[in-house]
Amino acid sequence: LAKTTQPISMDSYEGQEVNITCSHNNIATNDYITWYQQFPSQGPRFIIQGYKTKVTNEVASLFIPADRKSSTLSLPRVSLSDTAVYYCLVGSGYNNNDMRFGAGTRLTVKP
Amino acid sequence: DGGITQSPKYLFRKEGQNVTLSCEQNLNHDAMYWYRQDPGQGLRLIYYSQIVNDFQKGDIAEGYSVSREKKESFPLTVTSAQKNPTAFYLCASMGLAYQETQYFGPGTRLLVL
Repeated sequence: LAKTTQPISMDSYEGQEVNITCSHNNIATNDYITWYQQFPSQGPRFIIQGYKTKVTNEVASLFIPADRKSSTLSLPRVSLSDTAVYYCLVGSGYNNNDMRFGAGTRLTVKP
Repeated sequence: DGGITQSPKYLFRKEGQNVTLSCEQNLNHDAMYWYRQDPGQGLRLIYYSQIVNDFQKGDIAEGYSVSREKKESFPLTVTSAQKNPTAFYLCASMGLAYQETQYFGPGTRLLVL
């Protein structure tokens, strides 16, 4: 199972773009990358998912280089409500269905 | 209204007591998970189950037990052997097709009296 490494914390200001990088050097061929957001005393919720190149949805973009050994979550123009912990998860829904979360990145958005 | 529910929201345990946390999902998901979260920490996997009547230990299974008698239900029992049970417990479910995502319940906060 691919292990992930993320920065423990990041600070930003409202209106800025935030990029959070996750390293997963041992990612397997079938593994995909999923990012979750967690607010205090709540369960994590899905943000974005991808396998390679770039994925974009209404809240974020996910950039994955060709070697897939890392991925970057990009949050455009963050607001105070984006203050949360962000988790990068790598795994396959087939043979390796024991999804393990890393420590996550605590993002603090300041006014 | 589809989703995953956990009860109770808060649970108090006396020393030496076993307590059971409920987790129910109506998403028709095959896989279910239990995580523990301590203050300021990430999620740690306790147990997971991919099919009924089968489950696997995660990283911190000692002092916990589970059952999976029905697809919709995956209760977690915190036994008296778990000496430091105070934590936030999260249940999740997921389909087993490729590129599925986990859906989490609202969590149960367990406190020791």
